Amino acid sequence: AQSVTQLGSHVSVSEGALVLLRCNYSSSVPPYLFWYVQYPNQGLQLLLKYTSAATLVKGINGFEAEFKKSETSFHLTKPSAHMSDAAEYFCAVSRKGTGKLIFGQGTTLQVKP
Amino acid sequence: NAGVTQTPKFRILKIGQSMTLQCTQDMNHNYMYWYRQDPGMGLKLIYYSVGAGITDKGEVPNGYNVSRSTTEDFPLRLELAAPSQTSVYFCASSSGGRDTGELFFGEGSRLTVL
Repeated sequence: AQSVTQLGSHVSVSEGALVLLRCNYSSSVPPYLFWYVQYPNQGLQLLLKYTSAATLVKGINGFEAEFKKSETSFHLTKPSAHMSDAAEYFCAVSRKGTGKLIFGQGTTLQVKP
Repeated sequence: NAGVTQTPKFRILKIGQSMTLQCTQDMNHNYMYWYRQDPGMGLKLIYYSVGAGITDKGEVPNGYNVSRSTTEDFPLRLELAAPSQTSVYFCASSSGGRDTGELFFGEGSRLTVL
């Protein structure tokens, strides 16, 4: 079975500060891991994905995530937050090649001026 | 480029009514999915399809049905609507192979059952 836990349902940072959104996964097989972002009243869009290649993955809008097998983590970071980063972020896990994603509960990122 | 299109965007149903949420994609993707999103719960997979004529249940299929007669369309049918089906529904699609997990989502359909 696979599962994802996102630590913190709400995260608030100041503009220009580091963004860190935490995700831990559980998987009995080597996982594929994803971060998706959802802006208000929109569908989700892919930020980045880990598919067993490089453990440090770079995505769109300056975000990156590092796969740490020993910690079963896939935390999302961005060095400097921008007001436009305010959104809900979802971590997800799947088995290789299935497309059946298991999503975490989501983390709402607030960016303060 | 339209991507994934869902209709309707909003709908209010009475308990016991039925309806179909429509989903169409123009990317020639083989894989299509229906998720529901509830506050604080993330997204839960209802049904998915790996190609025309092939569908399978996800995590929360009870109360729903799907069909996949063409590559483009993947409608979701709600029979005998219940308040527990109040949710935001998302259709998504993906190509196969290494990009199977890269889902393209529609804008969602907000359903309220009263």
